[in-house]
Amino acid sequence: DAGITQSPRHKVTETGTPVTLRCHQTENHRYMYWYRQDPGHGLRLIHYSYGVKDTDKGEVSDGYSVSRSKTEDFLLTLESATSSQTSVYFCAITLKGGFGNTIYFGEGSWLTVV
Amino acid sequence: DQQVKQNSPSLSVQEGRISILNCDYTNSMFDYFLWYKKYPAEGPTFLISISSIKDKNEDGRFTVFLNKSAKHLSLHIVPSQPGDSAVYFCAASVQGAQKLVFGQGTRLTINP
Repeated sequence: DAGITQSPRHKVTETGTPVTLRCHQTENHRYMYWYRQDPGHGLRLIHYSYGVKDTDKGEVSDGYSVSRSKTEDFLLTLESATSSQTSVYFCAITLKGGFGNTIYFGEGSWLTVV
Repeated sequence: DQQVKQNSPSLSVQEGRISILNCDYTNSMFDYFLWYKKYPAEGPTFLISISSIKDKNEDGRFTVFLNKSAKHLSLHIVPSQPGDSAVYFCAASVQGAQKLVFGQGTRLTINP
């Protein structure tokens, strides 16, 4: 259990509307991530954060923005949702292991843009 | 440019037999590799990892093999059980980096 809570877990929204997904963690992890999962593409990194107000882009960041105003919350915003953003979104945190960093995922947020 | 590839979208194995899932990578800088398992409607869960200083890591029924010269890793599950039916993702990173690159996933089905 990575101690991550995602909300909402399911959402249907209309094209062109803004949407915000929230990721909340209670264990003071420094690194937080947003991934999306799509058939045939696996898991792709959207944005990540390495501290309060410190964020960076991933490989599929177009159309998304993020904010991290406090350690425990990492928000993903779709400014104007499109059908191509229908996906499952996973928040994640990093735990450092013996050699490398292992990412642990939340339960996911299912977003449908109609 | 897909740096981590799982070329088999699906695999079907009989219960009790060995399941072998494969993964290839192109970036020679990768030195830490992981496997994740994902059930429907759940988040991916970490399964096993291996660093580039090893060529094998074992954890119960799960063994990961790394062939650096071929840029290839595989996950062996022995014996396969019905609960192993899931989507498996391989992932890779560079030591010290905080990001993982994932493959497309392989759906494993264990048949009774």
